[in-house]
Amino acid sequence: GAVVSQHPSWVICKSGTSVKIECRSLDFQATTMFWYRQFPKQSLMLMATSNEGSKATYEQGVEKDKFLINHASLTLSTLTVTSAHPEDSSFYICSASPSGISYEQYFGPGTRLTVT
Amino acid sequence: KQEVTQIPAALSVPEGENLVLNCSFTDSAIYNLQWFRQDPGKGLTSLLLIQSSQREQTSGRLNASLDKSSGRSTLYIAASQPGDSATYLCAVRWIDRDDKIIFGKGTRLHILP
Repeated sequence: GAVVSQHPSWVICKSGTSVKIECRSLDFQATTMFWYRQFPKQSLMLMATSNEGSKATYEQGVEKDKFLINHASLTLSTLTVTSAHPEDSSFYICSASPSGISYEQYFGPGTRLTVT
Repeated sequence: KQEVTQIPAALSVPEGENLVLNCSFTDSAIYNLQWFRQDPGKGLTSLLLIQSSQREQTSGRLNASLDKSSGRSTLYIAASQPGDSATYLCAVRWIDRDDKIIFGKGTRLHILP
């Protein structure tokens, strides 16, 4: 149980284009989902917290207009990197908290984004 | 500022040895502490979760301890195996930060066959 999937697992895009990453909770409902990014040999850094049906809360220093987050249902959150640049290349990981159990987070397998 | 530090950044040990990974955190008012495993290019696998009221948790060859007063946790791996090679991340959730988790940078463990 408590499986989180991400799609795609890896993506290559050109500078200036936008790319969407999906995060799904497969066997539970998630009121809250989280988006992290991880640079090589670095820790996971929380980018934003999204709650179903409301606007995401972004961490300090994260551009909300560049990283668009939508949490339209209790099983799906999307992260769209707009006007991507090579410095946006990173490993993006999402996690989901089962509704009513805020201290548990289940992590997806991650998405490797490369911007050329 | 609430931070999580893991030392060493990398560790190589021969197969079969017992080993300890260290995690330290600022501010003892934590909600819980969690150890994860991350394989290269992969997501996270939760290993052990210790609530603030607990002193340790065990799962198979893994044992995690928590000392809130000193701001430390250790992950003990017994009888290490090559399959244990991975990056081990320590993550802390503080009481005043709702359900946000702060991660350490991890310890990259390599078990030598």
